[in-house]
Amino acid sequence: QKEVEQDPGPLSVPEGAIVSLNCTYSNSAFQYFMWYRQYSRKGPELLMYTYSSGNKEDGRFTAQVDKSSKYISLFIRDSQPSDSATYLCAMNQGGSEKLVFGKGTKLTVNP
Amino acid sequence: DTAVSQTPKYLVTQMGNDKSIKCEQNLGHDTMYWYKQDSKKFLKIMFSYNNKELIINETVPNRFSPKSPDKAHLNLHINSLELGDSAVYFCASSHGRVETQYFGPGTRLLVL
Repeated sequence: QKEVEQDPGPLSVPEGAIVSLNCTYSNSAFQYFMWYRQYSRKGPELLMYTYSSGNKEDGRFTAQVDKSSKYISLFIRDSQPSDSATYLCAMNQGGSEKLVFGKGTKLTVNP
Repeated sequence: DTAVSQTPKYLVTQMGNDKSIKCEQNLGHDTMYWYKQDSKKFLKIMFSYNNKELIINETVPNRFSPKSPDKAHLNLHINSLELGDSAVYFCASSHGRVETQYFGPGTRLLVL
């Protein structure tokens, strides 16, 4: 079993839809959970960063972590065509210099 | 102002050649990383340097050799290139928190 599993999609939604992106993981030592956004032919950029369990909201984006289920989610409200990108989840144990990434989910928001 | 820059952006070369990729960051960060992103978009850490000291060396063929002349630069030299080395190589940097990394634009390497 891979440490981090992420459905690669692709996921296609109409503008204005609520998008749900998810990752599962197997390493219970992970404490830090990130979502990176990668536009086509660009480097990843950090979108959201959460420590341990709970929710974090930033504008139209909400990150959720459920450590008991080893499951994290990113919700995008009122999705826009500019949200079209690949979304990568990433995790870290804390005290480690290593991020473990999911394979990314490609999202297209259609106008 | 570009935060993390890489040169070249594209690299097309023949099998067996030796090539280098350069990375520079102007963010004042103390840690730099090299990642490989394969054709399936899977991003995997290769190396990490903190203040010019190697701290992560994943299972990477020893044909790959990173070099950090100073905190702001991390270069990657690849000897005897193979077809399987074709990928996008990303440099990243962070300061104090590995969770918040800033990535460069990537170097697209194609080995023929």
